[in-house]
Amino acid sequence: EAGVTQFPSHSVIEKGQTVTLRCDPISGHDNLYWYRRVMGKEIKFLLHFVKESKQDESGMPNNRFLAERTGGTYSTLKVQPAELEDSGVYFCASSPIGRAREKLFFGSGTQLSVL
Amino acid sequence: RKEVEQDPGPFNVPEGATVAFNCTYSNSASQSFFWYRQDCRKEPKLLMSVYSSGNEDGRFTAQLNRASQYISLLIRDSKLSDSATYLCVVIAGNQFYFGTGTSLTVIP
Repeated sequence: EAGVTQFPSHSVIEKGQTVTLRCDPISGHDNLYWYRRVMGKEIKFLLHFVKESKQDESGMPNNRFLAERTGGTYSTLKVQPAELEDSGVYFCASSPIGRAREKLFFGSGTQLSVL
Repeated sequence: RKEVEQDPGPFNVPEGATVAFNCTYSNSASQSFFWYRQDCRKEPKLLMSVYSSGNEDGRFTAQLNRASQYISLLIRDSKLSDSATYLCVVIAGNQFYFGTGTSLTVIP
């Protein structure tokens, strides 16, 4: 069974540019989460989808970040325009509905560097 | 105040040693607790759930103390392959909260 996959694994962009990150969750997992880890800090929640609906987007830092999950399958996270403080590792995680939802499966992350 | 606090370490221990990590959480209404392991430049992976009654998986033992709001992880007979960062994760409401992780290096 394929795990959570993220693309790209690394992205280096200049301040002001746009970047789109993609996450393919485990097939059948309705819960999809985006997290971010800034160097030296803890992993922090960005938002949570249940199928195609945004369940909780309280962690999104500002309106430069836009997440979508059309059709309830893969998700994209767009940063436009990128700022220096957006640098970090962006993790996607998925889990099934129900009690097992508490056990997250993570992708390997996208290392974003904004110069 | 952070939701979850961990000593970042690093912990450098010889092979065969026993090592323990602690983690504290601030929300007394937290309902679920986990330890995740993260290897260098890899994704976090679930190591084990943590229950009030304590649970053991081979060389790993996890304990939860709700009264003091802390979680522990004990690793016995450390192996080189145990070298990683160990993340404490707490669920409160519908949110997952992560500690910064404790770095462990097992030395030959």
